[in-house]
Amino acid sequence: DTGVSQDPRHKITKRGQNVTFRCDPISEHNRLYWYRQTLGQGPEFLTYFQNEAQLEKSRLLSDRFSAERPKGSFSTLEIQRTEQGDSAMYLCASRPGQGYEQYFGPGTRLTVT
Amino acid sequence: DAKTTQPTSMDCAEGRAANLPCNHSTISGNEYVYWYRQIHSQGPQYIIHGLKNNETNEMASLIITEDRKSSTLILPHATLRDTAVYYCIVRVGSGANNLFFGTGTRLTVIP
Repeated sequence: DTGVSQDPRHKITKRGQNVTFRCDPISEHNRLYWYRQTLGQGPEFLTYFQNEAQLEKSRLLSDRFSAERPKGSFSTLEIQRTEQGDSAMYLCASRPGQGYEQYFGPGTRLTVT
Repeated sequence: DAKTTQPTSMDCAEGRAANLPCNHSTISGNEYVYWYRQIHSQGPQYIIHGLKNNETNEMASLIITEDRKSSTLILPHATLRDTAVYYCIVRVGSGANNLFFGTGTRLTVIP
């Protein structure tokens, strides 16, 4: 257990529905990351927050995806109008400002039927 | 960012050293080499990182060639719990943000 928690751990939804995932980073970490991982591939970077500011977004983060970190603590990742291609593991990681190691949560596995 | 090349899979006998190679021939002077691993159904775990000197910690050693075009991660006494996918990542800065994991090396430790 790294101290980064994610909720829910598993989510099954029908195509076209909206889903929201939550990440609680290690409390003193001001940097937070979201990644997506599909079967057989390594994690792919989606977006990065420093405190509450979203500083970087991957081209993978389409208009249907939105991430927030309103108070610089927990973060949410919402996917609107889910598609079958959104089925993946969504990983959250956090890092202290002066550190180099990203601490990953256990992930949320999304299945879109 | 420099691209890395790793073997798809490797086996290692339990108790022996596991040597995982990584090629990064296009690495630039300000890029660090990071290693993470991912045990099945878990999030990735940081192992070690370095710039040009060899590094060692409680988990592993990182050997970087003098020209920095390749590196080797060494697990000195592999155990069954070291079975995982190992990712070699090259990024600018010691506090890199968006990590590019690639497909990694699947290490299987055999009893």
